[in-house]
Amino acid sequence: QVQLVQSGSELKKPGASVKVSCQASGYTFTTKTLHWVRQAPGQGLEWMGWINTNTGIPTYAQGFTGRFVFSLDTSVSTAYLQISRLKAEDTAVYSCARGEMYYDGSGNRLYYLDFWGRGTLVTVSA
Amino acid sequence: SHELTQPLSVSVALGQTARITCGGEIIGRRDVHWYQDKPGQAPVLVMYRDNVRPSEISERFSGSNSGNTASLTISRAQGGDEADYYCQVWDSSTLMFGGGTKLTVL
Repeated sequence: QVQLVQSGSELKKPGASVKVSCQASGYTFTTKTLHWVRQAPGQGLEWMGWINTNTGIPTYAQGFTGRFVFSLDTSVSTAYLQISRLKAEDTAVYSCARGEMYYDGSGNRLYYLDFWGRGTLVTVSA
Repeated sequence: SHELTQPLSVSVALGQTARITCGGEIIGRRDVHWYQDKPGQAPVLVMYRDNVRPSEISERFSGSNSGNTASLTISRAQGGDEADYYCQVWDSSTLMFGGGTKLTVL
C-alpha cells in the first residue's frame, strides 16, 4: 500500500535551518509528483509547491521562494524540504503528499493529492 | 485571502445529513477535490473530480459541483466524521485550498 513516512518533530532556533524528509513506499517513486503543504497553528492548509520526481525540477508557490528548497534522493524514494533562516512564523506542520495527475477536456494537466504523510511539526523558538 | 470560500463550521445531528460547501468563481470551471483532516492524522482524500469517491471511503460521502458552488455531502453522520474538511482545485499551475470547514457531529 502507498505510504509516505515523514521525519520526526523538530525544535529549532530562529536563524537555523531544518530539513524534513518524506520517504515513499508502495509505488514507483518517480512516476508521481510530490507536493508540500504547510499548516500553521490554528490555520488551514497552504500549498507550498511541488517537485517533479522524474526530473527533480521544483516549483514553488507564491510566498515560498528563497528560503524553501525541495529536493530528492530517488535512490531511497525520499523527498526533502529544507527551510533556511527560520523565523517564528515558520512554526507549522509540514506535510508531503503524492500528486495524482489527470488531463481535463482541454488537455490541461490537473492535480489532486491522493496520499499524504502524517506531517512534521517544526517549532521555531528562541 | 482564499479564493475558495467555505463556511468556518457546520454542525449536524448524529445520523442526519451534513452538507459542506465550497464557493468561488472558479468552481464552475474546475474539478473540486475534498480532504478530511483529523488531528494527529494524515489528511485523507474523500472525494475527487467533483463526485468520485475513493474505494476506501464510505458511500455515505458524496460530492457535487454546479454553478459556482461545490458540495460535499455526508449522510447518516457519525462521530467519526468529525474533522476539518478542505476543498481544493488546481488552476493556472497552482493548487488552491479552501479555508476549511470544521464539522461537528452533535
